[in-house]
Amino acid sequence: QVQLVESGGGVVQPGTSLSLSCAASGFTFKNYAMHWVRQAPGKGLEWVAVISYDGSNIYYADSVKGRFTISRDNSKNTLYLQMNSLRAEDTAVYFCAKDRVNYQVLYELDYWGQGTLVTVSS
Amino acid sequence: DTQMTQSPSSLSAGVGDRVTITCRASQYVSNYLAWFQQKPGKAPKSLIYAASTLQSGVSSKFSGSGSGTDFTLTISNLQPEDFATYYCQQYHIFPPTFGQGTKVEIK
Repeated sequence: QVQLVESGGGVVQPGTSLSLSCAASGFTFKNYAMHWVRQAPGKGLEWVAVISYDGSNIYYADSVKGRFTISRDNSKNTLYLQMNSLRAEDTAVYFCAKDRVNYQVLYELDYWGQGTLVTVSS
Repeated sequence: DTQMTQSPSSLSAGVGDRVTITCRASQYVSNYLAWFQQKPGKAPKSLIYAASTLQSGVSSKFSGSGSGTDFTLTISNLQPEDFATYYCQQYHIFPPTFGQGTKVEIK
């Protein structure tokens, strides 16, 4: 079965960096676009970024553009999110999610990981 | 960005009830609309995509309808495991955006 396991969250100070990982299994990772979605404590869902199956297409939400970098290593079945210049408003649970259809970026999120909490606080 | 407005924000219902949640988009999104269920401390679970197509493995007690700007999620025969927060998401216009959520609570 599809499994997505995020890691790397923690407590960091404003202005610093953090890197998240998402280990995928149970499907052919290299064939699917992958997303990051976040949820601030007690709030709703906010889409963050997407990377196409081969890494050739990448898109970001305006709120993170220029500060966050999404990447993937298809040989390791792993998705990454490098977060720089972190702000208090980046505090959230970060979920990785799989796109439903292979080889396309549809933004149809069919499987999600359990999430990893990032807290930005001084 | 395309604003997605869900109503109600919360509702109370009893076991066995049928409930309907509405999602309205601020712009035309065709049928590029998904519904998710989220329980406290858990990941969202995909229920429906393309406005009315049930995700594989999801119970047929969930149904979706609508197109354009107005959509509904209906849950029939509400059971204890259905009490959760439900979100809609449009993916026709970049960036994809979610509704604020509808919390379904036990009456």
